[in-house]
Amino acid sequence: IAGITQAPTSQILAAGRRMTLRCTQDMRHNAMYWYRQDLGLGLRLIHYSNTAGTTGKGEVPDGYSVSRANTDDFPLTLASAVPSQTSVYFCASSKRGDTDTQYFGPGTRLTVL
Amino acid sequence: SQQGEEDPQALSIQEGENATMNCSYKTSINNLQWYRQNSGRGLVHLILIRSNEREKHSGRLRVTLDTSKKSSSLLITASRAADTASYFCATPLHSSGNTPLVFGKGTRLSVIA
Repeated sequence: IAGITQAPTSQILAAGRRMTLRCTQDMRHNAMYWYRQDLGLGLRLIHYSNTAGTTGKGEVPDGYSVSRANTDDFPLTLASAVPSQTSVYFCASSKRGDTDTQYFGPGTRLTVL
Repeated sequence: SQQGEEDPQALSIQEGENATMNCSYKTSINNLQWYRQNSGRGLVHLILIRSNEREKHSGRLRVTLDTSKKSSSLLITASRAADTASYFCATPLHSSGNTPLVFGKGTRLSVIA
């Protein structure tokens, strides 16, 4: 089935641990994005990638890193998780940029204790 | 900070009534998009309106854009219980180029049967 998949669905993590959230799309979209969603704050952009091999910082990039080695995959890494990174994380993709529809994955619910 | 801000934060109406949600943004844009999110799910694209358009329709959805006031509205006519969801406006992060979207905090719509 075409679309975006995210893994894991949910995770409980001890503070200080390293964690990688996985995101894969099979629509051959050029652009991919990571958002976090917190109650009362809406969606905030963490990092994005306009095309394979390039990445950019969003509103809240601190504590997160991304890579875009190929078109399909866009992993998000928390090098040393902190409780404030407890959130629901959504990956999205679009053909190009701002004039294209973004397609969202189902999300990863992350709890950092 | 987020580009778009939706108003009201929450809205509760009876089935069959119309629902109006507003979005204000801060900088010049070339388009504005509206998305819907059902509880626990990723966002789904509803409609895009370009800066040279004043009004756009899609089924029971009507979107307006007033670039002089930097505002947009989403009207859902003859609402149904299934329209219960959060609705977000999204605007380009940068004024030009291949840029990601920035989402507002959303309006939570409850349609009571």
